[in-house]
Amino acid sequence: QSVLTQPPSVSAAPGQKVTISCSGSSSNIGNNYVSWYQHLPGTAPKLLIYENNKRPSGIPDRFSGSKSGTSATLGITGLQTGDEADYYCGSWDSSLSVGVFGGGTKLTVL
Amino acid sequence: EVQLVESGGGLVKPGGSLRLSCAASGFTFSGHSMNWVRQAPGKGLEWVSSISTSSTYIYYADSVKGRFTISRDNAKNSLYLQMNSLRAEDTAVYYCARDRGSWGQLVGNDYWGQGTLVTVSS
Repeated sequence: QSVLTQPPSVSAAPGQKVTISCSGSSSNIGNNYVSWYQHLPGTAPKLLIYENNKRPSGIPDRFSGSKSGTSATLGITGLQTGDEADYYCGSWDSSLSVGVFGGGTKLTVL
Repeated sequence: EVQLVESGGGLVKPGGSLRLSCAASGFTFSGHSMNWVRQAPGKGLEWVSSISTSSTYIYYADSVKGRFTISRDNAKNSLYLQMNSLRAEDTAVYYCARDRGSWGQLVGNDYWGQGTLVTVSS
């Protein structure tokens, strides 16, 4: 049972937009930064979003992040088949003094 | 170019020990917190431990507290994870990851190694 809650799966057609939610609490998302990662099997995870809504260099603006209260959202527009992957949100939990990840969301581009 | 290369994984019996290493290059190692993150077979990412730039702040997941020890040697640009009393549930790919912050609290892991597999089995 993950501290951060994500939907197990989402799907959309190529070219469409999808959002992935991440729900937490005041001890993590509510008062700490959220980051988002893309993970393809057999490869190293890739940072897509840090500090709630900032993109590292090299990450296209098709990827966006937002945070409101104790929830965060990753948005992906112009979906491509190469976007099929597992996506994870992460944050710090100040009450537990631990890093926390969501359970992951599998994106299928139909 | 930032590079993180893990080593030290392998097959170990329950109750045994392993020491993972992560060799860093291409950036100022002493300027970043570092994390260990693992992924068990068929499972999601699990944060394991983090260490601040000067090793002042160290944090562990409850699942490994008291059994694992994180450390770093800034002179050698290296991160370590000493794993004792290993259990079957510790079987996973272990990733070393650089954090954008410096205090040990997860801000965003912007560079990751390729991972090293730890298998705990009799």
